[in-house]
Amino acid sequence: DGGITQSPKYLFRKEGQNVTLSCEQNLNHDAMYWYRQDPGQGLRLIYYSQIVNDFQKGDIAEGYSVSREKKESFPLTVTSAQKNPTAFYLCASSLRPGQGPYGYTFGSGTRLTVV
Amino acid sequence: GDSVTQMEGPVTLSEEACLTINCTYTATGYPSLFWYVQYPGEGLQLLLKATKADDKGSNKGFEATYRKETTSFHLEKGSVQVSDSAVYFCALSDRSGGTSYGKLTFGQGTILTVHP
Repeated sequence: DGGITQSPKYLFRKEGQNVTLSCEQNLNHDAMYWYRQDPGQGLRLIYYSQIVNDFQKGDIAEGYSVSREKKESFPLTVTSAQKNPTAFYLCASSLRPGQGPYGYTFGSGTRLTVV
Repeated sequence: GDSVTQMEGPVTLSEEACLTINCTYTATGYPSLFWYVQYPGEGLQLLLKATKADDKGSNKGFEATYRKETTSFHLEKGSVQVSDSAVYFCALSDRSGGTSYGKLTFGQGTILTVHP
């Protein structure tokens, strides 16, 4: 079945370390997104990519970086510059606007904890 | 910019009670509107959607009607079950063009707890 796979489900990071969260989709979707979820704050957009080799900053990009070398993959790196990285991270994908019904497919998330 | 405002939570109901979660939006164009549901420890799942004014989205007993005149998309269910306990997010997708085209803007989420 098609879907989005995020790994790992739980991740622990020491302060000062960079860490990379994986997101892979086999839906043939062009667009991919990374959101951060904190209690009581809903979802905030970190980065998004509408085509391979192109991505844009979202609302809270500072301290994060991404790459989009393949259509299927959109990894997120949480750098040491991110001051408060403990959160639940969600990856999503969608067809490019105009290519089909709107709406995202979400992965099951990665919970990152700084120790 | 675009924004979505949901009613404050959490919402606690008894099984078989009626549910309404209010959602209003601000958008410059003609957005599509969505409700997503998140069960504990999981990602979000699309619950229903509406793409133009007066459209009604429905799924699993939930309904929401796209009201352009009141810029609202309230979620309703006539009889909730314990299994409906989750976080519900209202969202909109801007279709007016530009770099935000297709990007979803979410409300803050409403926690629903249903007791037996």
